[in-house]
Amino acid sequence: GAVVSQHPSRVICKSGTSVKIECRSLDFQATTMFWYRQFPKQSLMLMATSNEGSKATYEQGVEKDKFLINHASLTLSTLTVTSAHPEDSSFYICSARGLAGIHEQYFGPGTRLTVT
Amino acid sequence: GENVEQHPSTLSVQEGDSAVIKCTYSDSASNYFPWYKQELGKGPQLIIDIRSNVGEKKDQRIAVTLNKTAKHFSLHITETQPEDSAVYFCAATLSTGFQKLVFGTGTRLLVSP
Repeated sequence: GAVVSQHPSRVICKSGTSVKIECRSLDFQATTMFWYRQFPKQSLMLMATSNEGSKATYEQGVEKDKFLINHASLTLSTLTVTSAHPEDSSFYICSARGLAGIHEQYFGPGTRLTVT
Repeated sequence: GENVEQHPSTLSVQEGDSAVIKCTYSDSASNYFPWYKQELGKGPQLIIDIRSNVGEKKDQRIAVTLNKTAKHFSLHITETQPEDSAVYFCAATLSTGFQKLVFGTGTRLLVSP
């Protein structure tokens, strides 16, 4: 149980284009989903928190107009990187948490984004 | 806000030895402390967690201890195997807001055959 998937696993895009990453909870309903960014040999940095049907809450320093997050259902959240630039190249990982009051977060396998 | 420190940054052991990774946290109201294992190119995998009302928890070769007074918690892996080689992250939940996780800086564990 508690499986989270991400699609795509790898994506290469040209500078200036937009990329959408999907995060799905496959066997549970995720009331809250989180999006992280991880640079090589570094820890996970939280970008934003999204609750189903609500606007995402972004961490300080994360541009909400650049990283668009949508949590339209209890099993799907999407992250769109708009007008991507080479510095946006990173490993993006989502996590999902079930019912309110439950602490456990389960992570997806990650998406490697390369902007050329 | 919460700050989580993790030591050591790298740990090399021989197969069969024990490995211990330590973390300290700053927010005394934190109440949930998970440990994640991350293999190269993959997402973190929850391996064990502990809540603030428990002092120790064990799952086969893995155990976690929590000292709330000192605000530190540790991961213990016994009888290490080469497949235990990975990066391990500790985390603590903030007591406010969405109970977001704050991660430590990670420990790269290498188990040599």
